[in-house]
Amino acid sequence: TQLLEQSPQFLSIQEGENLTVYCNSSSVFSSLQWYRQEPGEGPVLLVTVVTGGEVKKLKRLTFQFGDARKDSSLHITAAQPGDTGLYLCAGDKSGGGADGLTFGKGTHLIIQP
Amino acid sequence: DTGVSQDPRHKITKRGQNVTFRCDPISEHNRLYWYRQTLGQGPEFLTYFQNEAQLEKSRLLSDRFSAERPKGSFSTLEIQRTEQGDSAMYLCASSFSGAGADTQYFGPGTRLTVL
Repeated sequence: TQLLEQSPQFLSIQEGENLTVYCNSSSVFSSLQWYRQEPGEGPVLLVTVVTGGEVKKLKRLTFQFGDARKDSSLHITAAQPGDTGLYLCAGDKSGGGADGLTFGKGTHLIIQP
Repeated sequence: DTGVSQDPRHKITKRGQNVTFRCDPISEHNRLYWYRQTLGQGPEFLTYFQNEAQLEKSRLLSDRFSAERPKGSFSTLEIQRTEQGDSAMYLCASSFSGAGADTQYFGPGTRLTVL
């Protein structure tokens, strides 16, 4: 059973378009982190959200944590080819330490010039 | 701050051999994690250290796997009698407790191929 479901699994869009990636769970998380991963490399942290309803912006990326802290979304405005990569959400159930982070399978994003 | 480093980046071994990987966390981080990532999947938690103490181990960590963090700084992950199913990317992450959310920073990973 996948604890964190990400959708869509694959997304290919044209440069300049907007997109939203979703991360859903039936479990409550104390925090949730979004990472981007390039082939053959480790995940690179984008953001951590902690408070239910929290919205964080990172340039053209907007992250939202659900009110109940069970889900999250990543919205990219005016996507660029440099946004291409695997986007992973990861939830922390224990508040730090035990059990590590629980990852979704990721969303493979391709931005075509 | 040089980030989390891992060595080697790639390892090819024959089935039945032992392998050891090293992770150097961010210097002020007291928590260290090992994860395994297979193709098409997100990383899966293996084990966790707070300082030198190994506080949690996943059921994924079979008896052939052992991890140490002898001085609370770098860590090693050893796999004995490797099997083809051990082929994966092994990722190390570190974080600092007491900083609010447990934000983990990952290293570049060690890609293991077992022939």
